[in-house]
Amino acid sequence: KAGVTQTPRYLIKTRGQQVTLSCSPISGHRSVSWYQQTPGQGLQFLFEYFSETQRNKGNFPGRFSGRQFSNSRSEMNVSTLELGDSALYLCASSLALGSGRQETQYFGPGTRLLVL
Amino acid sequence: AQTVTQSQPEMSVQEAETVTLSCTYDTSENNYYLFWYKQPPSRQMILVIRQEAYKQQNATENRFSVNFQKAAKSFSLKISDSQLGDTAMYFCAFLTGNQFYFGTGTSLTVIP
Repeated sequence: KAGVTQTPRYLIKTRGQQVTLSCSPISGHRSVSWYQQTPGQGLQFLFEYFSETQRNKGNFPGRFSGRQFSNSRSEMNVSTLELGDSALYLCASSLALGSGRQETQYFGPGTRLLVL
Repeated sequence: AQTVTQSQPEMSVQEAETVTLSCTYDTSENNYYLFWYKQPPSRQMILVIRQEAYKQQNATENRFSVNFQKAAKSFSLKISDSQLGDTAMYFCAFLTGNQFYFGTGTSLTVIP
């Protein structure tokens, strides 16, 4: 099975711009979570989607949004970029978080975003 | 609130030796899962080992084993016969419901 894929792998943007990141989960996985990783903060949870519904959202401003499509692919959007948004954005998929059946997340390689 | 604490930001170990990474967590939940993830310098996060809270037996995966103390809310990772490829950032994670909580990580360096 192919792993979790994320595109693009690297992005350079300027302040005020917006960006969209994409994540394709492992085939058959319906849950997709997004994390922001920075050296000082570790992994910060952004949101989790299951069957096109956002079930959980972390403590991030409304500039961060996401969605999930019927094929479980997910996108994350950040509007009005700020310097502090520079980070590695990780996507993780699982069969069905919270179902008690398969509770392991598998991570993609991440998208490295640099805001200038 | 759920929290995960890794009190060792950096550790090093000689090749072939054993090292233990510590992790504590705080939760009022009774049903949860615990994980250790490894993130090598290439940045791909990889699952190392997982533990169901309802299981008393400590999980083991080859050279990796955990010491799960539910009452103490402690979940340490022991790496035996350390190899150079074990050099990575290690994250302890806690899952309850459908949300993961991660510690800030321990950077482990295996010295040849």
